[in-house]
Amino acid sequence: SQTIHQWPATLVQPVGSPLSLECTVEGTSNPNLYWYRQAAGRGLQLLFYSVGIGQISSEVPQNLSASRPQDRQFILSSKKLLLSDSGFYLCAWNRDRGADTQYFGPGTRLTVL
Amino acid sequence: QKEVEQNSGPLSVPEGAIASLNCTYSDRGSQSFFWYRQYSGKSPELIMFIYSNGDKEDGRFTAQLNKASQYVSLLIRDSQPSDSATYLCAVTANWIKAAGNKLTFGGGTRVLVKP
Repeated sequence: SQTIHQWPATLVQPVGSPLSLECTVEGTSNPNLYWYRQAAGRGLQLLFYSVGIGQISSEVPQNLSASRPQDRQFILSSKKLLLSDSGFYLCAWNRDRGADTQYFGPGTRLTVL
Repeated sequence: QKEVEQNSGPLSVPEGAIASLNCTYSDRGSQSFFWYRQYSGKSPELIMFIYSNGDKEDGRFTAQLNKASQYVSLLIRDSQPSDSATYLCAVTANWIKAAGNKLTFGGGTRVLVKP
């Protein structure tokens, strides 16, 4: 079956601490993968996307980075979190081969204190 | 800058009535249009997509696209309390797998269906 996982589900981190969020997918090879952020009361903003292993495109300059070490794994990282990094982080994928529909994972809610 | 605009609401609808949501977009190169439903605290769920001008129906949902006027709408017939959620409109230009497709989202319309 085709599924997308994210962990952790929730995270509370102090300012200046590092971050690592993970997204994994099952059931499809070589999917396009995306990281979005939804700040409180705001719309979804595309942060990074990847069309293959080691291929990362950044949409918004910030203190976040992304990596794709394996075909079905997408990681969002930061060396030092800012208060403004708080939000709902969503991984998405083009689940259906040849289709441009994007499906979202369950998300990670990050609070930076 | 590519923009997608939605009325933030809340759109209050009596149970059983039709909810009508609108979305306008600025990029004339947009080719694919999506509606997502997002319950509070949850991730967005894809409910409809439309590529061609006209109407597309799926159960109680109908998406309407007018590229000339640059708007896309969503109708929810026989609205139920379980339809209470925020509805997000998203658009993207022509999609090439090797380049990915970057969705631009509107801010969402909050819908409240009252019993």
